[in-house]
Amino acid sequence: GQQVMQIPQYQHVQEGEDFTTYCNSSTTLSNIQWYKQRPGGHPVFLIQLVKSGEVKKQKRLTFQFGEAKKNSSLHITATQTTDVGTYFCAVLMKGAAGNKLTFGGGTRVLVKP
Amino acid sequence: SQTIHQWPATLVQPVGSPLSLECTVEGTSNPNLYWYRQAAGRGLQLLFYSVGIGQISSEVPQNLSASRPQDRQFILSSKKLLLSDSGFYLCAWSVFQGYRDLTGELFFGEGSRLTVL
Repeated sequence: GQQVMQIPQYQHVQEGEDFTTYCNSSTTLSNIQWYKQRPGGHPVFLIQLVKSGEVKKQKRLTFQFGEAKKNSSLHITATQTTDVGTYFCAVLMKGAAGNKLTFGGGTRVLVKP
Repeated sequence: SQTIHQWPATLVQPVGSPLSLECTVEGTSNPNLYWYRQAAGRGLQLLFYSVGIGQISSEVPQNLSASRPQDRQFILSSKKLLLSDSGFYLCAWSVFQGYRDLTGELFFGEGSRLTVL
């Protein structure tokens, strides 16, 4: 079945540096969503990408959807301690009883002050 | 505005005991409802989802079950817990959009942390 691979699994970042996390699929995606989960918290929706090659920005976060709609990336510039958490991508799959979101394994981000 | 409530927030249960986690959504009608489980430091595993009352799809065969007795109520149950059932259980809802290729964002509850001893 369709799987979503997210890399890296862990990311240790020096405060002020940039980093990127990637989400890859073996099949073409209709859309992709990104979530952030703070330690001890629940996932919170960040953004949804739908169009091929789409790029969206939220302050220091840049989200990109690949031209072939098989991969996506999240780039964070000038990392801050508030960026600590796990970032998940999620893709839509059609199930027998409707649409469902399948999450990647997540990238756990630790920021070194 | 829409809100989602999940309880209990934390529970410790012995192996072999039953389980009931409840989730209710307010402020919306006919939502898609989901149960996810997250093992410590791991990703989100979809357990069940529902697009309507009495309609449950199971993603992973296990000793858990789900029910949707009302439009905005989703219950996760087990008759006999296993050690491997420990984890962080998250209920979520999204706007029902039928079977189109787009779906709205998921809104998660605060989660229920289950420890089976």
